[in-house]
Amino acid sequence: NAGVTQTPKFQVLKTGQSMTLQCAQDMNHEYMSWYRQDPGMGLRLIHYSVGAGITDQGEVPNGYNVSRSTTEDFPLRLLSAAPSQTSVYFCASSPMTVRGYGYTFGSGTRLTVV
Amino acid sequence: GIQVEQSPPDLILQEGANSTLRCNFSDSVNNLQWFHQNPWGQLINLFYIPSGTKQNGRLSATTVATERYSLLYISSSQTTDSGVYFCAVDQTGANNLFFGTGTRLTVIP
Repeated sequence: NAGVTQTPKFQVLKTGQSMTLQCAQDMNHEYMSWYRQDPGMGLRLIHYSVGAGITDQGEVPNGYNVSRSTTEDFPLRLLSAAPSQTSVYFCASSPMTVRGYGYTFGSGTRLTVV
Repeated sequence: GIQVEQSPPDLILQEGANSTLRCNFSDSVNNLQWFHQNPWGQLINLFYIPSGTKQNGRLSATTVATERYSLLYISSSQTTDSGVYFCAVDQTGANNLFFGTGTRLTVIP
C-alpha cells in the first residue's frame, strides 16, 4: 500500500540506550519530517528534509539525529535515550512542488524510556 | 514564534448534531491545514486551506486569512467523527507545520 511506513510501532528503551526509528515512503515525496506528540499537546517538529542529502532542525531537535541518503527513507536516531523522550513519534511526507497538498503521516511509533 | 489557538478544547455532541471548531493564529501564514486524529492515533489530512472555503462531504472549512482564523464545520456528526481535530500552519514556506493543541470531539450515539 502506498503511504508512509514507520517501524517499530512500539518500543521500550532504558535510559542511555540508542535506537533508530525507521520511516519510509513510496510516493516519491521530496519533503519528509519527524514530529513528536506528547499527551494533551499538538505535534512538534523535530527535524525535516526537503530532499536527499538535505536535513535541517525543527522546533525540538536536541537529542535526535537524522539523515536522508535516499528519497524514500528518513530515519530518526536517538543517541542516548532519556525519559523526556518518552512520546509518540510521527513521520510525515509531502510533495514540495505543490506545498500543503498530499501531507501524509505514518501510523506512529510509541516510545517509552524507563 | 507563531501562536495557534484552538477552541473549544473539548466538545461532546449527540449523533446528528452540527459543530464548529475554531483556529486562531497570531501571524500571517501561507499554509493552513486541518487534520483528524482518530481514536487509534492515525492522523488524516482533511483540508489544505490557506484561504477561502472548501467542502468535502459533511465537512467544510473556511479560512479568513486577513483576520487570522479558520473554522471547521462538521454537519450531521457521526460516532466515527470522534477524535482530535488539529489545525496546523506554516508561515515560513518550508512546508513545516506548527500545530495547535487540538479540539477533542466525542460523538455519542
